[in-house]
Amino acid sequence: NAGVTQTPKFRILKIGQSMTLQCAQDMNHNYMYWYRQDPGMGLKLIYYSVGAGITDKGEVPNGYNVSRSTTEDFPLRLELAAPSQTSVYFCASSYPDLRQGADSPLHFGNGTRLTVT
Amino acid sequence: AQSVSQHNHHVILSEAASLELGCNYSYGGTVNLFWYVQYPGQHLQLLLKYFSGDPLVKGIKGFEAEFIKSKFSFNLRKPSVQWSDTAEYFCAVTVNRDDKIIFGKGTRLHILP
Repeated sequence: NAGVTQTPKFRILKIGQSMTLQCAQDMNHNYMYWYRQDPGMGLKLIYYSVGAGITDKGEVPNGYNVSRSTTEDFPLRLELAAPSQTSVYFCASSYPDLRQGADSPLHFGNGTRLTVT
Repeated sequence: AQSVSQHNHHVILSEAASLELGCNYSYGGTVNLFWYVQYPGQHLQLLLKYFSGDPLVKGIKGFEAEFIKSKFSFNLRKPSVQWSDTAEYFCAVTVNRDDKIIFGKGTRLHILP
């Protein structure tokens, strides 16, 4: 049972380059989320999705795009990378009802560490 | 706007000391509350959660938290910390069955052996 899988684990981008952070889950969770984590700032929600074909902005969506063509996948796209996007990115998934799931409402991936120089 | 405040950014304790980490939220609706822990180099793991019922919630590893609705608070406690509790702790909340889970800025806890 893989859970939430994020790729790549590390990436260095030059300013202006684009890339896609991949996220896949095999738990048939409807809800998926992208967070970024910066020192002293906690986790900020970038985008989230409540099901295939449905996405919505979180707290800090500028500079990012997402799509949700399948239940399993929720890629995060950076079109024009900027130094301010240097961060650790976490993807997470959950059931629609957070009370479901014996352990954690949110299942996190292991993160992608992105550096933009 | 929705917000979650964690009062302590960095806490240093000796082993066996008691711990209390503050968390306040700024909504008046029905809330679901969580505490997550992130050990160095790892992703977030759930410590405990509150949906309804008994406001004193017990979690893993000896942690507990108390929901005080009148104070909009959900403070995390542990009677006696261990060196292995060194980590960053995050409070999180959802409101009125909202789809978003909002996190606080985190408290970095360092336990001296």
